Amino acid sequence: ETGVTQSPTHLIKTRGQQVTLRCSSQSGHNTVSWYQQALGQGPQFIFQYYREEENGRGNFPPRFSGLQFPNYSSELNVNALELDDSALYLCASSLDPDGEQFFGPGTRLTVL
Amino acid sequence: QKEVEQNSGPLSVPEGAIASLNCTYSDRGSQSFFWYRQYSGKSPELIMFIYSNGDKEDGRFTAQLNKASQYVSLLIRDSQPSDSATYLCAVWGNTPLVFGKGTRLSVIA
Repeated sequence: ETGVTQSPTHLIKTRGQQVTLRCSSQSGHNTVSWYQQALGQGPQFIFQYYREEENGRGNFPPRFSGLQFPNYSSELNVNALELDDSALYLCASSLDPDGEQFFGPGTRLTVL
Repeated sequence: QKEVEQNSGPLSVPEGAIASLNCTYSDRGSQSFFWYRQYSGKSPELIMFIYSNGDKEDGRFTAQLNKASQYVSLLIRDSQPSDSATYLCAVWGNTPLVFGKGTRLSVIA
């Protein structure tokens, strides 16, 4: 059984740029949730995708958008990057929206 | 605004002692409660979950839930230096997981 994977591991961008982060869910999981974890903070929920549809969104602006593909992998896109977007971005997959979440290793984004 | 509060620590305990980590939550509708361990630079790893009032034991770990007091705790018995990490409390209700900021635990050999 393959676990949750994320790419890239690290990324450096400058203010105003756009970024796409990728997540492959664990085999058999149809739900992916994305979290932002700033330094010294707990993860904050960005949004969740279930069977290719957005299934809940946290308090993040519209420049944070996502997508889920038929194989249940997912992308997180962030437009017009700001310095405060620097964080560890975590993806978690689950069997269903209410199920136990298994986290990927995360993508560390630095915005200069 | 649904909130989960944890003491940020650091909490320092000697090797072999019991570490006690606490968490309070604001949403009375919360149904499931989770403890994650996060090593520096790594992603969270689920170590315990609890749904019902009372205690739940798994090896050296015991989770305690008191819904009336909106309080969750994690006890780690026979603490080891490898337990040194940040422990995140997370709560699930009608929305996906809400995390606390975490408590940094340091086990001194």
